[in-house]
Amino acid sequence: DQQVKQNSPSLSVQEGRISILNCDYTNSMFDYFLWYKKYPAEGPTFLISISSIKDKNEDGRFTVFLNKSAKHLSLHIVPSQPGDSAVYFCAASPNAGGTSYGKLTFGQGTILTVHP
Amino acid sequence: DAGVTQSPTHLIKTRGQHVTLRCSPISGHKSVSWYQQVLGQGPQFIFQYYEKEERGRGNFPDRFSARQFPNYSSELNVNALLLGDSALYLCASNQRDRSTEAFFGQGTRLTVV
Repeated sequence: DQQVKQNSPSLSVQEGRISILNCDYTNSMFDYFLWYKKYPAEGPTFLISISSIKDKNEDGRFTVFLNKSAKHLSLHIVPSQPGDSAVYFCAASPNAGGTSYGKLTFGQGTILTVHP
Repeated sequence: DAGVTQSPTHLIKTRGQHVTLRCSPISGHKSVSWYQQVLGQGPQFIFQYYEKEERGRGNFPDRFSARQFPNYSSELNVNALLLGDSALYLCASNQRDRSTEAFFGQGTRLTVV
């Protein structure tokens, strides 16, 4: 079962506009959420994270929003730049303790293309 | 500062063979996790080790095993390779055993023929 889902395989935006990447989850035990960016031939790079006690976290051009009741999070990139073109993964981490300790569950990824 | 380093970067093996992948975490990080990423999917959790103890195991067969050494480096071993084991194997390190911001290496691309 896919506990973390990114339903949009790809997204194309114009440089300078906003990019919005979405992610849904089903497991209520998830309490920490992360976004990673991945270029070809490289490992995922951490972008931004949010704890379940918050509904928004901002870092420069990147903002993550969390809607716990809807089990939905989104990553906003404003303004988008051509260098942002990459695959974006959302990931979720469960409450501490038990056999799930430390495990990240990833979505399938969304390919973002930012056109100049 | 060196990031997470993995070796080798690419590997071709034959079905039925055994493979060992290696990972050195960021200096000061005591937790290492392994993930498998097949084409078109997100990384899937295989193992987590903290202070040389297994802390988590994903839904992978017993052909997959790992260990962590006193210097916190780690090895992932896969026995009796299948074609379906072809994937990018990623290693991630964390400062503590709780996965908050995990830092990934560049991965080892394993091809089984």
